[in-house]
Amino acid sequence: EVVMTQSPATLSVSPGERAALSCRASQSIISNLAWYQQKPGQAPSLLIYGASTRATGIPARFSGTKSGTEFTLTISSLQSEDFAVYFCQQYNNWPLTFGGGTKVEI
Amino acid sequence: EVQLVESGGDLVQPGGSLRLSCAASGFSFSTYWMSWVRQAPGKGLEWVANINQDGSDRYYMDSVKGRFTVSRDNAKRSLYLQMNGLRADDTAVYYCATVGAIYQYYMAVWGKGSTVTVSS
Repeated sequence: EVVMTQSPATLSVSPGERAALSCRASQSIISNLAWYQQKPGQAPSLLIYGASTRATGIPARFSGTKSGTEFTLTISSLQSEDFAVYFCQQYNNWPLTFGGGTKVEI
Repeated sequence: EVQLVESGGDLVQPGGSLRLSCAASGFSFSTYWMSWVRQAPGKGLEWVANINQDGSDRYYMDSVKGRFTVSRDNAKRSLYLQMNGLRADDTAVYYCATVGAIYQYYMAVWGKGSTVTVSS
């Protein structure tokens, strides 16, 4: 099973600041990685797939990059609505696996 | 508008059974792989099962193999999860989701979820 490790568990930032969230895969997953955002009491929603392709309607301040087995979600200038929990997910191998999440808080 | 609505969640005793349903609308349901994903209270996301367009191909996480069965009825635009032999650690919100594309098994659109509680 591919283990996905997200760091940090919690990221404290201020509105307008840049946030970088990390997700590391235990083995190569090529670019088969997605990022999701989940706000309290809501279902997750897709942000990015293919490591760097924004889903429909996702603002350009969200970007995804890949370096080997390390993936980064960057939010260039945090807005109030971006404070949430972010999960990564690999879909290169069965079983599909998620990271433990990063909570972005003020 | 793409919409997924789960139903069927309930409080059930350990060892019991439950069937979740997911009603789809606003897209061509029969052309999409579908997923079930769960989230235990205060925890992260956990993939449960996938099914292909005609139901001939199914994948499960190890801990539910032999207990859970994913199925679909394309005529009714519905996805199902039959859960037998339920255990306390199956307690979670269960989400259905559309899969992004063929061989691209990310979850593109999610329902709001249905809560399953396994407790005596």
